[in-house]
Amino acid sequence: DAGVTQSPTHLIKTRGQHVTLRCSPISGHKSVSWYQQVLGQGPQFIFQYYEKEERGRGNFPDRFSARQFPNYSSELNVNALLLGDSALYLCASSLSGEQYFGPGTRLTVT
Amino acid sequence: AQSVSQHNHHVILSEAASLELGCNYSYGGTVNLFWYVQYPGQHLQLLLKYFSGDPLVKGIKGFEAEFIKSKFSFNLRKPSVQWSDTAEYFCAVILLNQAGTALIFGKGTTLSVSS
Repeated sequence: DAGVTQSPTHLIKTRGQHVTLRCSPISGHKSVSWYQQVLGQGPQFIFQYYEKEERGRGNFPDRFSARQFPNYSSELNVNALLLGDSALYLCASSLSGEQYFGPGTRLTVT
Repeated sequence: AQSVSQHNHHVILSEAASLELGCNYSYGGTVNLFWYVQYPGQHLQLLLKYFSGDPLVKGIKGFEAEFIKSKFSFNLRKPSVQWSDTAEYFCAVILLNQAGTALIFGKGTTLSVSS
């Protein structure tokens, strides 16, 4: 079975630009969560979606938004990028409690 | 705010040495507990989890962890480490009775095993 997939793998953007990151969950998983991991830290929760509805939101500014589609895939959008948004963005899918992570998208903001 | 503390930032061991990584959380309610591992160049993988029942849980690759509710701890152990255990280890918690099931992670512990 395919695991969680994310695209793109790497991305370089300029300050002020917008970015869209994509995630496809494990087949059958209806919940998708997004995390930001900066170097030397553990992942920090951004959003959780279940059946296309937002179930939780972490302490991130409104520049961050997300949505989940009928096929349970998800997009994370970040507007007005700042240098501090440079990080590894992780997507995780879950069926019943335990979350399975994708390889992440490495975002570099210059 | 709820948090997860991992006591050791970097642990260096020789092969066959025993391992114990500390993890404490600050939340008085019911929790689900996890240890994740990130091998070099790979994505986060679930090592083991505790939801309820026997507080001593066994995971993959010979790892185990013990949930001690009175100490708010969930320490990871392995009797004899191998070079291939070199990785970053993250303790994480889900707070039950709250909306959503967001994982709260510790800062991680880097384990280096020399052969």
